[in-house]
Amino acid sequence: GDSVTQTEGQVTVSESKSLIINCTYSATSIGYPNLFWYVRYPGEGLQLLLKVITAGQKGSSRGFEATYNKEATSFHLQKASVQESDSAVYYCALSAGTQVVGQLTFGRGTRLQVYA
Amino acid sequence: DAGVTQTPRHEVAEKGQTIILKCEPVSGHNDLFWYRQTKIQGLELLSYFRSKSLMEDGGAFKDRFKAEMLNSSFSTLKIQPTEPKDSAVYLCASRDNYAEQFFGPGTRLTVL
Repeated sequence: GDSVTQTEGQVTVSESKSLIINCTYSATSIGYPNLFWYVRYPGEGLQLLLKVITAGQKGSSRGFEATYNKEATSFHLQKASVQESDSAVYYCALSAGTQVVGQLTFGRGTRLQVYA
Repeated sequence: DAGVTQTPRHEVAEKGQTIILKCEPVSGHNDLFWYRQTKIQGLELLSYFRSKSLMEDGGAFKDRFKAEMLNSSFSTLKIQPTEPKDSAVYLCASRDNYAEQFFGPGTRLTVL
C-alpha cells in the first residue's frame, strides 16, 4: 500500500532560523499521487497547510514551501525563517492519483518547537 | 461557516463497553472520513463515505468498529466492545468532491 515517511519526533529550532522537515513517499496506485502538508496548532484541529497535485510544482503557504519531486519521491517542507507561532505538529500526506478513492495516507507527524 | 463538529471531545469507557462517537460534516460536503490517531501507528483510515455510501471500511478495523452515515449531515462511529488498545484520538473529516479534507477537533477516547 501507500506510505509516507517523514522526520520523526520533535524538531527544535531557534526563532528566525531555517527549517526543513523531510518527507518521502511510496505510492502503489497508477499515476502520480497528490501531496499535502497538514498542520495542527496547539488546541486546534488538523488543517491543510499546502498541497501540490502536479509533479515538479511547488506549493507555498504562510512562508512554508514544498516541492513535489517525483524522481526522489520527496516533498520536503521548508521555511527560511521560522517564528514561535509556527510551533505545531506537521503531517505529510498523500492521496492516490485516482480521485475516486482519494483517502489520505499520513506520515507519523513531526513536532516543531520554535524558541525565542 | 461551521466546520466539522465532533462530540464528545473526551470519552472514558470501561473495557467491554459500547461507545458511539458522533460527527457532523461541513454542510454540503459529499465525502466523510473517520481516522484513528495513535502515537505508534499515526493516522489510520477507518471508514470513508461518498454521498452516504460506504466506500472503504478500514479492513482490519471491521470486527468491532462500525461507521454509519444516517443522513448527509450526521455520522456515527460505534466501537463494540471497547478494548484498552482502542485508546486514541478519533478524527472525522469531510470533503467537497475532490477538494481538501476539513478535519474536526477529534474525540479523545480512553478505555480503562
